Amino acid sequence: DQQVKQNSPSLSVQEGRISILNCDYTNSMFDYFLWYKKYPAEGPTFLISISSIKDKNEDGRFTVFLNKSAKHLSLHIVPSQPGDSAVYFCAASDDGGSQGNLIFGKGTKLSVKP
Amino acid sequence: NAGVTQTPKFRVLKTGQSMTLLCAQDMNHEYMYWYRQDPGMGLRLIHYSVGEGTTAKGEVPDGYNVSRLKKQNFLLGLESAAPSQTSVYFCASSPLMGGTSLGNEQFFGPGTRLTVL
Repeated sequence: DQQVKQNSPSLSVQEGRISILNCDYTNSMFDYFLWYKKYPAEGPTFLISISSIKDKNEDGRFTVFLNKSAKHLSLHIVPSQPGDSAVYFCAASDDGGSQGNLIFGKGTKLSVKP
Repeated sequence: NAGVTQTPKFRVLKTGQSMTLLCAQDMNHEYMYWYRQDPGMGLRLIHYSVGEGTTAKGEVPDGYNVSRLKKQNFLLGLESAAPSQTSVYFCASSPLMGGTSLGNEQFFGPGTRLTVL
């Protein structure tokens, strides 16, 4: 059973608008969440993370929101740029991120149209 | 810094053949990981290591072995390749939690595309 779910395989957004990527999880023991971005033929790159003691973390155009009661997190990209077009993976950990047993979602392919 | 490098980038094997994938990192990271990614799937952890000389099983360890003889290298072995092991394999590393690390920000290599016929 999937513990980390990204129910939207793809998302298309106009340049300059907001992109919202969603992620749901089932394991209440998860206490650390990360977002990774992946371009074709490259490895994933770390984007932003959030600890379960917070409900928001912001880094430039990227903001991650965590709703623990709903077991839901989202990544907001504002404003979206064509270079943001990539596959975005949500990942979760139940050890505070200390040892790296990350559980990944299946990914959402974001396309930002000029 | 080269970061995380993987060798080879591509490989085609016949069923039953063996091979070793090499991962190297020059960031002095303690932790290293091997993942596989299949179409429509997220990354699944095969094995990982929390330090030189240590290894541990991940989510999908069957059919694979690993070794971490040196801190900077993490080897993934397939003793008898099967078509089900056709996948893209990613290696990653991360520093110890604490200091500048807020948690497990893993750094990934570019991947090895393996096809088993």
